[in-house]
Amino acid sequence: DIQMTQSPSTLSAYVGDRVTISCRASQSVFTWLAWYQQKPGKAPKALIYKTSILEEGVPSRFSGSGSGTEFTLTISGLQPDDFATYYCQQYSSFWTFGQGTKVEIK
Amino acid sequence: QITLKESGPTVVKPTQTLTLTCTFSGFSLSTPGVGVAWIRQPPGKALEWLALIYWDDDKRYSPSLKSRLTITKDTSKDQVVLTMTNMNPADTSTYYCAHRNKMTTALFDSWGQGILVTVSS
Repeated sequence: DIQMTQSPSTLSAYVGDRVTISCRASQSVFTWLAWYQQKPGKAPKALIYKTSILEEGVPSRFSGSGSGTEFTLTISGLQPDDFATYYCQQYSSFWTFGQGTKVEIK
Repeated sequence: QITLKESGPTVVKPTQTLTLTCTFSGFSLSTPGVGVAWIRQPPGKALEWLALIYWDDDKRYSPSLKSRLTITKDTSKDQVVLTMTNMNPADTSTYYCAHRNKMTTALFDSWGQGILVTVSS
């Protein structure tokens, strides 16, 4: 099984900040990596697929990068609506999610 | 517009079998590339993929839960059913179904609202 590890688990930031969330795979997933956003009591929402391609309707302040085992989600200019938990997910071999990174208001 | 909705019992007893139904609209499970997955999330914890069924009846299961899971589809009813045997308190979770099209983004791009299932005697 491919394990996904995110860091940090919690991130405190101000509106307007640039934030970066890391995701590491236990083995190469090539670029088969997605990111989701989840707000309390709601289903996850897809943000990015194939490492860096934004899902339709996702603001351009979100971006993704990486390959192999190391990936990054960056939010450039954090907005009030962005405070949520973010999950990476590999789909190279079955589907595995990271443990999540909660972005909190500082 | 794609919509999905989970239904089933909200409380099950230990050792019982859980049967959940995902009823969807806005797409067909006869369309090449289309699949429906089940994903769960224990309270306050991370997401865990459970199973997925494709338009051609290809089925995939989480290796750690494979022996307990069965996924089926009823294309005429636009439904996907997940059964999980031998439920225990650790299976208490919100269970989601989600749409996937491996021919396009391959994302779980539409999700149901989820159903909280509690395992308790």
